[in-house]
Amino acid sequence: EVQLVESGGDLVQPGGSLRLSCAASGFTFTTYWMSWVRQAPGKGLELVANIDQHGSEKHYLESVKGRFTISRDNAKTSLYLQMNSLRAEDTSIYYCVRRGEAFDVWGRGTMVTVSS
Amino acid sequence: DIQLTQSPSTLSASVGDRVTIACRASESIINWLAWYQQKSGKAPKLLISKASILGSGVPSRFSASGSVTEFTLTISSLQPDDFATYYCQHYYTYPYTFGQGTKLEI
Repeated sequence: EVQLVESGGDLVQPGGSLRLSCAASGFTFTTYWMSWVRQAPGKGLELVANIDQHGSEKHYLESVKGRFTISRDNAKTSLYLQMNSLRAEDTSIYYCVRRGEAFDVWGRGTMVTVSS
Repeated sequence: DIQLTQSPSTLSASVGDRVTIACRASESIINWLAWYQQKSGKAPKLLISKASILGSGVPSRFSASGSVTEFTLTISSLQPDDFATYYCQHYYTYPYTFGQGTKLEI
């Protein structure tokens, strides 16, 4: 079964850091771009970051550039999102997503809350 | 950035109705458009890719069409399970963006 399972979401203070992880299984991880998509409470969807199969090409949402870093470990079939200098507006559910034919596989998401 | 505008934002309908949701891009995205369904408290699910290709396991009552800047998603006969929020998304050039969503309600 194709599966993506996120972890690492938490309550963190403004200015703090958090690292999200996504464990992938059931497919050949090394052949897919991977992404993080977020959704603020009651709001729409927003692509946060993309990474290519080898980890060499990355793209970021403008508002997270310089603060967030996407990475992957193909040996562990895992995707990561390092989030620094967190702001209240980063509060969202963060989904790990496979980029196949469009965004074809989604995890259940992990909640990040930035609040004092 | 390419903007996607969905209409309507909210759609009231009944079981058995035929409904259409529109998505307009601010510039040409050729056919690099996807549609997603999201039920409350769940992750989005891919319905359509490349403007008109039905996703794996998606019922045939869903169809989509369009190109360049104008796209539509149609549900031919609404079922109770179809009441959800629908998003379009382009993947033509970075940054990929989503429409604001259309909530389909009874």
